[in-house]
Amino acid sequence: RKEVEQDPGPFNVPEGATVAFNCTYSNSASQSFFWYRQDCRKEPKLLMSVYSSGNEDGRFTAQLNRASQYISLLIRDSKLSDSATYLCVVNTGTASKLTFGTGTRLQVTL
Amino acid sequence: DAGVIQSPRHEVTEMGQEVTLRCKPISGHDYLFWYRQTMMRGLELLIYFNNNVPIDDSGMPEDRFSAKMPNASFSTLKIQPSEPRDSAVYFCASSLDGRRATQYFGPGTRLTVL
Repeated sequence: RKEVEQDPGPFNVPEGATVAFNCTYSNSASQSFFWYRQDCRKEPKLLMSVYSSGNEDGRFTAQLNRASQYISLLIRDSKLSDSATYLCVVNTGTASKLTFGTGTRLQVTL
Repeated sequence: DAGVIQSPRHEVTEMGQEVTLRCKPISGHDYLFWYRQTMMRGLELLIYFNNNVPIDDSGMPEDRFSAKMPNASFSTLKIQPSEPRDSAVYFCASSLDGRRATQYFGPGTRLTVL
């Protein structure tokens, strides 16, 4: 089983739609959680950290369920510029090592 | 403020040749990471350094791969000899500290081994 698993997509949604991505992780000792965004042929960039109580940043909401080892990202009012691959990232607590999921691709269309 | 700098951006070489990838982390960052990204395996951590010292190289695929960090502003990843299966995008990233600090990625080196 992979350490971090994501649905690869692609998710094709119209502008203005709400879309949710899910991610599961296998190591119950994981301590830190993030969502990174990667545009086509570009480097990954941090989108947001994920906190136990859930957190929001504008149109983006991240949730963590430690009992189920499950992380989610909700994007409201999708924009064309949201089209990218979203990477679920977990730190297992072993120093600074991050484990990346293979990503979920989102395509927002007119 | 300059981000992480990598060179070259693209490298095409023939099987058996030595390849050297270079990285300059963000000034003041204590951690440096080398990743490899392929369609099949996604983004994989190869090795990381803290204060120029290699901490975990368990992701280095085999002895053909080696990495060094002679000072705080420079690191290299070397593949010798290269093989077609090494074709991938290699990213360097740096961060201020370990667990919760954001990792900032360079633009990557796209390596093609023929």
